[in-house]
Amino acid sequence: SAVISQKPSRDICQRGTSLTIQCQVDSQVTMMFWYRQQPGQSLTLIATANQGSEATYESGFVIDKFPISRPNLTFSTLTVSNMSPEDSSIYLCSVVEGPNYGYTFGSGTRLTVV
Amino acid sequence: AQSVAQPEDQVNVAEGNPLTVKCTYSVSGNPYLFWYVQYPNRGLQFLLKYITGDNLVKGSYGFEAEFNKSQTSFHLKKPSALVSDSALYFCAVRATNQGGKLIFGQGTELSVKP
Repeated sequence: SAVISQKPSRDICQRGTSLTIQCQVDSQVTMMFWYRQQPGQSLTLIATANQGSEATYESGFVIDKFPISRPNLTFSTLTVSNMSPEDSSIYLCSVVEGPNYGYTFGSGTRLTVV
Repeated sequence: AQSVAQPEDQVNVAEGNPLTVKCTYSVSGNPYLFWYVQYPNRGLQFLLKYITGDNLVKGSYGFEAEFNKSQTSFHLKKPSALVSDSALYFCAVRATNQGGKLIFGQGTELSVKP
């Protein structure tokens, strides 16, 4: 299965600033996703990162707040913009491979906004 | 609406006893079902999946799950629990006609006591 390197693993940020999270995959994958896990909560999909086109956002998430880049089939970034304490969460990237639907997750980025 | 439910927030088991973590789903069409485990400060680790075939699926670390179409359930089981199995467990279903995203249950905290 694919190996995902996600950076940073954690960060503490000031409110009003932005943080960019990187996700690097060791193989080319078509589908890449970004999830948010708020404290004590389940995972919620933020958006699907599409290579060569704009990301597809889920209801409640907007591009101005969570801009996503997908320059090629092995890399994506998620930016959390103009952060507030409510953005404190774990952010995870995920990829799916092949016809057997192997979903792999990055180790996550634990973000604390103060 | 497509969804996953894990009716128990927490499951407590004595070491050596069998464990069951419950999951029910609602999805149109044939379900693709997954179980993941999350240890503290770690990402999601894949345990097992059901795509098609035998209703009893065997996965990592001695876990197995039984797909029951009539009851729309996919309960996770292990014959003999270990203290090291203590973690947060998530059931997920691949949403139909929604770009391949996973819908997660709310998670079940498994505590195995010696």
